[in-house]
Formats: sequence, structure tokens, C-alpha cells
Amino acid sequence: QVQLQESGPGLVQPSQTLSLTCTVSGDSISNSAYNWGWIRQHPAKGLEWIGNIYYIGSTHYNPSLKSRLSISVDTSKNQFSLKLSSVTAADTAVYYCARVGRVVVNFDYWGQGTLVTVSS
Amino acid sequence: QSALTQPPSASGSPGQSVTISCTGTSNDVGGYNYVSWYQQHPGKGPKLMIYDVNKRPSGVPDRFSGSKSGNTASLTVSGLQADDEADYYCSSYAGSNNYVFGTGTKVTVL
Repeated sequence: QVQLQESGPGLVQPSQTLSLTCTVSGDSISNSAYNWGWIRQHPAKGLEWIGNIYYIGSTHYNPSLKSRLSISVDTSKNQFSLKLSSVTAADTAVYYCARVGRVVVNFDYWGQGTLVTVSS
Repeated sequence: QSALTQPPSASGSPGQSVTISCTGTSNDVGGYNYVSWYQQHPGKGPKLMIYDVNKRPSGVPDRFSGSKSGNTASLTVSGLQADDEADYYCSSYAGSNNYVFGTGTKVTVL
């Protein structure tokens, strides 16, 4: 069974960088059939796709976040990570990581999510 | 890219059917057969219910079905059960390795 688990600080100060890691178990992050993605959900709001990464390091970002966003992968640890810079209160959200099919296009496994609050 | 439009709420009595719409554009829903639907219970991560417009992953009951016409996709839940009460989100591939989600619909089982 594929499982994903988000980890990272729950509180980030405004203007700082939000950093999260997703640890994958039950599948290899080098599986060529999948990308690995980040999605967020603002409080009581809908889902917003943040970006994806393929195990060789190629990335695709939501254009609205691209200038502040970096997603990386560590195949030795079976993890991928998110960095979002210059955060504001508008970045307060539950952040999810997910497995993203490349041929069968969907987000088929999700983490439980982690709440990140941007506040001083 | 703008969020796909869903009605905020939908409801039905146990045993009845409810249909949720998801409206996009020719650049997303209308342009690709890569519409998927997700169920989210409070405090939980989303669960894939439908992919490729109308395919069900293993383990998802056949009470859940999907369809698409033009720029609008739909999810139908037949034979409503109490556990179907949740938020539902559609998603579509939007080209150039971009994805867009819907605004979400809260389904209430009366």
C-alpha cells in the first residue's frame, strides 16, 4: 500500500520560507510511471495544485506560484520537498503531497496533510 | 488558470441519486479526457473516486459514475449512503503539465 507523509514546521513567519518534506513508502519515488506533487487547501476552501516533480528532477509549477516555488527530490531517501519563499498569511493552508500518474492522469494516493500557518 | 466551477452544495435522501457538475473551458475539461473526482471527509486527505472521466479505481463502488459533455464534467452518486456525505472535488489536466481543481461541492445526505 502506497503511503505519503508530510512533515515540517506548522508555523512560519511572514516573509520567511515555508519548507515541507513528503516521505513515500510502498513505492519507489523513481517509479517512471509517476510524478510526485504538492497540493494545498486554504481554510474552508478548495484545492489548489502547487506543482509536480519527476524523479530525475524535472518540475512543473503552478504559474501563480512559480516565482516563489522550488520542488526537489531525494531518491536516496524516497522523499521530495517543497520550498515556498516570501510567504504571507495568504499561504496559510493545509499542504498535501500526492502521487501523480503520468500515463493514467490522476492524483491516486494522498498524504493526510499538514497545516502550515503563516503568522508572527 | 482559473478553478473549475462546481455548485457549493448538493443533497439527497438515502437511496436517491445526486449529480455534481464541474465546468471548465476548452483548455482543460473540454480539451482532455483527464477529469478526475475526489471525495474528502472532514479532516482527511482526498480520495480518488473517478479518473479519465468515467473510470473507477479498484475498491470504489459502482454507485459512483462520471461523464463529460463539452466543457462540463459530472459525477453521479447513486443509492446515496450516509458515508457518501463529504466534499467532492473535480480536477482536470490543463495542458503543459498543469492541473486545475474545482471549487468543491458539499454533499449532504438528508
